[in-house]
Amino acid sequence: DGGITQSPKYLFRKEGQNVTLSCEQNLNHDAMYWYRQDPGQGLRLIYYSQIVNDFQKGDIAEGYSVSREKKESFPLTVTSAQKNPTAFYLCASSIDGGTDYGYTFGSGTRLTVV
Amino acid sequence: GENVEQHPSTLSVQEGDSAVIKCTYSDSASNYFPWYKQELGKRPQLIIDIRSNVGEKKDQRIAVTLNKTAKHFSLHITETQPEDSAVYFCAAISSGSARQLTFGSGTQLTVLP
Repeated sequence: DGGITQSPKYLFRKEGQNVTLSCEQNLNHDAMYWYRQDPGQGLRLIYYSQIVNDFQKGDIAEGYSVSREKKESFPLTVTSAQKNPTAFYLCASSIDGGTDYGYTFGSGTRLTVV
Repeated sequence: GENVEQHPSTLSVQEGDSAVIKCTYSDSASNYFPWYKQELGKRPQLIIDIRSNVGEKKDQRIAVTLNKTAKHFSLHITETQPEDSAVYFCAAISSGSARQLTFGSGTQLTVLP
């Protein structure tokens, strides 16, 4: 996956349950991002982190939480407060905030509420 | 913040014809504009990018043009092939200290054999 790994590939969540999506990169990138993709729509930013132990809300952060305890890892938790979590979730990383080399994406996690 | 609009949402062309996808952005301070290709169920992959100090960039059958005055940029694919069929996303980097990409809504390109 080009140095950025997302797991699991498919995830099923019951109503009222929290689930955590994993994102790990071995590219030594400083910045990491979480995007949500719905059918026929673009990528919407959930959270991003430019440095360890710091992260910022994106456009649709409600119902989600993240942590950045290690440079390599940026897990996303989808909480029960997220009322419509079924979507394709993409993690990305960049060396410098994306200005010189763009983003590298993981292969995604497809989350379905059952 | 940045707002990126992309047109058309769907585009069908005959194999061998050209395809053009257009995007506009709102933040005049944006200075980096990548294009991504996403095949069904897969991750987006960077195919070409352009910075605000140039007006055009080419890579084989793919080219991107940028008009800073009008705040729009376009992707041009020539001699299209069936394997070009995918969703294409434009993006612009936001200005300021917290830089992140804002994506367009995507264009589903179908190349008909």
